[in-house]
Amino acid sequence: NAGVTQTPKFRVLKTGQSMTLLCAQDMNHEYMYWYRQDPGMGLRLIHYSVGEGTTAKGEVPDGYNVSRLKKQNFLLGLESAAPSQTSVYFCASTLTGNYGYTFGSGTRLTVV
Amino acid sequence: KNQVEQSPQSLIILEGKNCTLQCNYTVSPFSNLRWYKQDTGRGPVSLTIMTFSENTKSNGRYTATLDADTKQSSLHITASQLSDSASYICVVSLYGGSQGNLIFGKGTKLSVKP
Repeated sequence: NAGVTQTPKFRVLKTGQSMTLLCAQDMNHEYMYWYRQDPGMGLRLIHYSVGEGTTAKGEVPDGYNVSRLKKQNFLLGLESAAPSQTSVYFCASTLTGNYGYTFGSGTRLTVV
Repeated sequence: KNQVEQSPQSLIILEGKNCTLQCNYTVSPFSNLRWYKQDTGRGPVSLTIMTFSENTKSNGRYTATLDADTKQSSLHITASQLSDSASYICVVSLYGGSQGNLIFGKGTKLSVKP
């Protein structure tokens, strides 16, 4: 049972480049989330999904887009990367909002 | 404003000693409070979840307490081990509303020295 898997684990982008981060879960969870973690700050919610085909904005959605075409996958896209998007990105999933979240191991993204 | 404040920011203790981490929150309406452990370079892992009516919850050497009246929680670690070195994050969940309803603290970084 793999849990939540994030790919890639590390990435360096140049300003203006685009990329997609993939999150996959094998627990049949309905809810999935993308967070970013910056030094000295708590995790901040970027976007989330409460089921296949649905997405919603979180606290810091600007510059990011998401898609949930399949229940097990949640993609986070950066269309034109900026240095301010340098961060560690975590994906999480849960059965319902009242249960504990399972987090992936993170993607460390550097934009130069 | 919904906020979760943790103290201390960092803590160094010797192996085998006990320690207590603090969490104060101003979150309303409250649903539950969670403690997570985050090892360096890894994602957070859930330790405990407590609802409004629960005062104490244990997970091995970790014991979390909740005082909903004063809006305070603590995480007590007994007989610390080197593997306890990590960041401990207090998270409060809002009741109702959208599903993007977790408020994260900034964490306490614990270092256990031999």
